[in-house]
Amino acid sequence: GAVVSQHPSWVICKSGTSVKIECRSLDFQATTMFWYRQFPKQSLMLMATSNEGSKATYEQGVEKDKFLINHASLTLSTLTVTSAHPEDSSFYICSARFSYQGSNYGYTFGSGTRLTVV
Amino acid sequence: GEDVEQSLFLSVREGDSSVINCTYTDSSSTYLYWYKQEPGAGLQLLTYIFSNMDMKQDQRLTVLLNKKDKHLSLRIADTQTGDSAIYFCAESNSGGYQKVTFGTGTKLQVIP
Repeated sequence: GAVVSQHPSWVICKSGTSVKIECRSLDFQATTMFWYRQFPKQSLMLMATSNEGSKATYEQGVEKDKFLINHASLTLSTLTVTSAHPEDSSFYICSARFSYQGSNYGYTFGSGTRLTVV
Repeated sequence: GEDVEQSLFLSVREGDSSVINCTYTDSSSTYLYWYKQEPGAGLQLLTYIFSNMDMKQDQRLTVLLNKKDKHLSLRIADTQTGDSAIYFCAESNSGGYQKVTFGTGTKLQVIP
């Protein structure tokens, strides 16, 4: 249980275009989802937290107009990289929180999207 | 596909050692990672181990890898209340920039 499906796993796009990454919870309702970015051989950097039906909360230094996050349903969150540039090339990964045994919770992750902007 | 499994919860007393276990299925895993997530924060890379190593020690942290059984463990010596967090095991099959598969995380509760 608690599976998150992330697509695409790998995408190449031209500079100036936009790319949408989807993250779906398959067997549970994800009221909270997280978007991370990972630079080579570094920790994942939290970009934003999204709650279903409300605006995402962005971490300091993350441009919300560039990285559009939509969490319109309990099973789907999307990250759109707008007007992508080569410096946006990175590994993006989503995470969703799920609850178990009442008040406890865990995190499950998508398999990640490697974005290359040329 | 690849799968990484961890137990969801571990409770230890302050001063004791904590051992968090992880199993994975991908035999081509090259890097195995341990991340720590404190409440409200992102993931912090604690340590990683190459698949050709059996053990790696870093201060209070000891990572053991049994490649034959595809079993990874993280031992925290002299566990402190500040170690309370969620610990994620992860694996990738190349140098940290390819697909990374995470476990669901183990919540470590340290009892004073």
